[in-house]
Amino acid sequence: DTAVSQTPKYLVTQMGNDKSIKCEQNLGHDTMYWYKQDSKKFLKIMFSYNNKELIINETVPNRFSPKSPDKAHLNLHINSLELGDSAVYFCASSPGGDNYGYTFGSGTRLTVV
Amino acid sequence: GQQVMQIPQYQHVQEGEDFTTYCNSSTTLSNIQWYKQRPGGHPVFLIQLVKSGEVKKQKRLTFQFGEAKKNSSLHITATQTTDVGTYFCAGRWGGKSTFGDGTTLTVKP
Repeated sequence: DTAVSQTPKYLVTQMGNDKSIKCEQNLGHDTMYWYKQDSKKFLKIMFSYNNKELIINETVPNRFSPKSPDKAHLNLHINSLELGDSAVYFCASSPGGDNYGYTFGSGTRLTVV
Repeated sequence: GQQVMQIPQYQHVQEGEDFTTYCNSSTTLSNIQWYKQRPGGHPVFLIQLVKSGEVKKQKRLTFQFGEAKKNSSLHITATQTTDVGTYFCAGRWGGKSTFGDGTTLTVKP
């Protein structure tokens, strides 16, 4: 049973297209996150949701729109994809609060050509 | 905003040598977490340190949290090839975690 699952694992698409990445967790966690990892492996928070409510929205282009239909799901939709969006996108979840580690999904490698 | 600096960015060691990565924060942290990401994998939570001066061990790994709760280190004794990967610290402050840039460890057999 995969705790945090993301689909698709790989995504190759052309500039200007719109794409979505889906994330689901079966851990019963209250908080979910989207992280972007670039080619230098830097991990940057993009968004965080707690019980379907947006609580962290970092400086991310508004082409990126997260949606949380319920606390077990957090999807990421990207409009008008650009070359610089190429990266690995990780979904993560935690019980919430200060004293818990994050459980990461296996990542979605997005390549924009 | 909160910054967590991690050094070195890369470390190459011979198998059996020790390895240490350091994290420093500009602000006092409520806790610090450590993660390991194997090549091609995803970050995996290793441990959390909460108390000032705390030291925790996991087999050959020793984690320390500074007295001022602004710095932390991860030390691996006698590295093995299975230790390869990128090690990240994540400092928590004000209800938000910030990841360091990671230290990528390679181990030569």
